[in-house]
Amino acid sequence: KAGVTQTPRYLIKTRGQQVTLSCSPISGHRSVSWYQQTPGQGLQFLFEYFSETQRNKGNFPGRFSGRQFSNSRSEMNVSTLELGDSALYLCASSHSWGTSTDTQYFGPGTRLTVL
Amino acid sequence: QKEVEQDPGPLSVPEGAIVSLNCTYSNSAFQYFMWYRQYSRKGPELLMYTYSSGNKEDGRFTAQVDKSSKYISLFIRDSQPSDSATYLCAMSRVGGGSEKLVFGKGTKLTVNP
Repeated sequence: KAGVTQTPRYLIKTRGQQVTLSCSPISGHRSVSWYQQTPGQGLQFLFEYFSETQRNKGNFPGRFSGRQFSNSRSEMNVSTLELGDSALYLCASSHSWGTSTDTQYFGPGTRLTVL
Repeated sequence: QKEVEQDPGPLSVPEGAIVSLNCTYSNSAFQYFMWYRQYSRKGPELLMYTYSSGNKEDGRFTAQVDKSSKYISLFIRDSQPSDSATYLCAMSRVGGGSEKLVFGKGTKLTVNP
């Protein structure tokens, strides 16, 4: 079974631009969560989608948004990029949502650099 | 105080050593405790999962949870160079809530041949 895939793997943008990252979950998984990983803050939860609806949201500004399509694929968008948005963005998929015991499988991440 | 604290290391040990990795937490609502392993340029992968207090063993790995002390540990016996990675602890409340998982910042481990 193919794992979680994320595209692109690497991205370089400049301040003020916007960016869209894509995530394809494991086949059959309907929940997709997004995380930001930085050396200073570690892994932080951004949001979670299930059945095309945002179910949970972390403590990030409104510049960070996302959506999920009917095939469970998900995209996240960051508008008006700031230097501090440079990070590894990880997507994780699981069978369901709101279940603490449901294993999350992570993709390899998209490394975003903002210049 | 952060909800989850983890010593970032780095930790360097010789092959065959016993490795101890630890996290402390402040939120007594956490009930589910996990350890993830993250190799360079890869996403985290789930290693161990425990519910509430106690020990859980899986091969060379043992996870311990002490809820009274708000302290969790991961022990690696007979460590191998292939264990070289960053180890992240994570925990979750019952029902999840607005944050599905709260992670420690990770401890970077190097096992030298």
